[in-house]
Amino acid sequence: QVQLVESGGGVVQPGGSLRLSCAASGFSLNSFGMHWVRQAPGKGLEWVAFIQYDAGHIYYADSVKGRFTISRDNSKNTLFLQMTSLGPEDTAVYYCAKDGRRYPYGTHFDSWGQGALVTVSS
Amino acid sequence: QSALTQPASVSGSPGQSITISCTGTSSDVGGYNFVSWYQQHPGKAPKLMIYEVSNRPSGVSNRFSGSRSGNTASLTISGLQAEDEADYYCNSYTNSITLVFGTGTKVTVL
Repeated sequence: QVQLVESGGGVVQPGGSLRLSCAASGFSLNSFGMHWVRQAPGKGLEWVAFIQYDAGHIYYADSVKGRFTISRDNSKNTLFLQMTSLGPEDTAVYYCAKDGRRYPYGTHFDSWGQGALVTVSS
Repeated sequence: QSALTQPASVSGSPGQSITISCTGTSSDVGGYNFVSWYQQHPGKAPKLMIYEVSNRPSGVSNRFSGSRSGNTASLTISGLQAEDEADYYCNSYTNSITLVFGTGTKVTVL
């Protein structure tokens, strides 16, 4: 069965950087687009970024564009999110999620990881 | 891209049916068939309940159904059960080639 496991969360100071990883198993990572979705404490879900199966198409939410970079290493079955210039508004649980279609854009999230907490605080 | 609009809360008694609305625009909900719904219990990851407006993934109860009229999508839960008490979020593809979530709805089983 599909399994997604995030790692790399933690506490970082404002202005700092952090890289999240998502280890995928149970399916062919190189066949599907992948997403990052976040949820601030007590708040709703926010889509962050999408990367096509071969990284040919990448899209970001306006709130993170220019600061976050999504990437993938299909040979290692791993998805990444590099986050820079972090602010308190980026404090959230970050989920990686698998897209349900093999399209060059996001459609829906059919499998989710358990999430990694990122706290931006001095 | 503004969040799609959902009611903050919906409640019903066991066995009843409830409907959660998700209102967007012709640039998202009304313009594309990529509308999906997610259930989230406290402290857990979201779970896909409906995709592409009205399709149900295998393993999801047929008590859950999705539909759309114009710029508003809906999730109906029939035969409400205690385990259905959770937060529900809609999501849609947009004309900016991005995805946007709804504001979320807390479902309470009375």
